Amino acid sequence: NAGVTQTPKFQVLKTGQSMTLQCAQDMNHEYMSWYRQDPGMGLRLIHYSVGAGITDQGEVPNGYNVSRSTTEDFPLRLLSAAPSQTSVYFCASSYQGTDTQYFGPGTRLTVL
Amino acid sequence: KNEVEQSPQNLTAQEGEFITINCSYSVGISALHWLQQHPGGGIVSLFMLSSGKKKHGRLIATINIQEKHSSLHITASHPRDSAVYICAGPLYGGSQGNLIFGKGTKLSVKP
Repeated sequence: NAGVTQTPKFQVLKTGQSMTLQCAQDMNHEYMSWYRQDPGMGLRLIHYSVGAGITDQGEVPNGYNVSRSTTEDFPLRLLSAAPSQTSVYFCASSYQGTDTQYFGPGTRLTVL
Repeated sequence: KNEVEQSPQNLTAQEGEFITINCSYSVGISALHWLQQHPGGGIVSLFMLSSGKKKHGRLIATINIQEKHSSLHITASHPRDSAVYICAGPLYGGSQGNLIFGKGTKLSVKP
């Protein structure tokens, strides 16, 4: 199993550009989540999904969109990038009812 | 609003020392996660526990749900244990899949 994969690993954007961060898992997990990690802030939940076709907002959803058309994929879209979105983004997945969260390797995003 | 607090923020230890990291949360939750973030940035799940104690190798996690407190212990610490240790509880009271995190404890173990 590849586990949770994220692409790209690094990205630099200009203010106002849009992009999609990709996340995929091959473990047939129902739960998938997107977090951002900023210095001194800890990880914060952006959006999550409890299954294909079902998504919901987390703590810091503004400026981000998600969709979940398949169990495997959970892309995160930045609609109009802002410098405040400079961060490291982690995708995670887990089985319903299991005790392990699996994290992707992260995407480091810089918005100029 | 759920709050998850960790202490200490930074911890330096000598190889072989017994280490304790604490985690407290402000509202009732059903379970708590401990995670490890390596210097390279990768995050690994160590434990999820809802009562009592769990042990994996030299790592031991305990939780007291009534007191809203959990501890992570490392016995016979080693430089390879150097990492950031993060506790997390379920946001909105759910059991998993959407978590709120402490800010982490940065552990440095010197040889």
